[in-house]
Amino acid sequence: QQQVKQSPQSLIVQKGGISIINCAYENTAFDYFPWYQQFPGKGPALLIAIRPDVSEKKEGRFTISFNKSAKQFSLHIMDSQPGDSATYFCAARNPNTGNQFYFGTGTSLTVIP
Amino acid sequence: DVKVTQSSRYLVKRTGEKVFLECVQDMDHENMFWYRQDPGLGLRLIYFSYDVKMKEKGDIPEGYSVSREKKERFSLILESASTNQTSMYLCASLTTGRSYEQYFGPGTRLTVT
Repeated sequence: QQQVKQSPQSLIVQKGGISIINCAYENTAFDYFPWYQQFPGKGPALLIAIRPDVSEKKEGRFTISFNKSAKQFSLHIMDSQPGDSATYFCAARNPNTGNQFYFGTGTSLTVIP
Repeated sequence: DVKVTQSSRYLVKRTGEKVFLECVQDMDHENMFWYRQDPGLGLRLIYFSYDVKMKEKGDIPEGYSVSREKKERFSLILESASTNQTSMYLCASLTTGRSYEQYFGPGTRLTVT
């Protein structure tokens, strides 16, 4: 019940297109949902995050859509650029286990010029 | 800028050796984490610490221990390294308050032969 399921495992998008990565969870206690971006040879870095009382959050070309009833959230990258090519992880925080975060398995995004 | 540093980027050890991975953060964060990252499995939590000398097991603590003697330093110990512990190890520290952002180090690629 602590799992966060992420799909797809890999994604290839043309430059200028929309990249969409999906995550689903079971535990309704989760109260914070971040997305992390990781470039090769680097640690993950926070990209954008949302709380469950909000259905959408937008920062530049990155948007999180959150569906509380379906227990799903997704990352949309508009006007995808080759520089967005990276691995993306969704995660969820369980406040009942301290500040433990549960991560999805990651999506490798390749944006073709 | 928050900085999380890890003692080694690459490490090669033999089966049965005791291995120490060190992590230092410079932002006075109370919460620190050790993850391992494997292809297709995402980030899995080994241990985390919410204060000096305090620790909690994550999802995969077997074969590992940790030490937090000072707030800025969190060490991961492989008591007797095995080949199935070959992996990328990531340390993180967490800012809390309005948001929960984990700052990751660059990772240590450990190979056990």
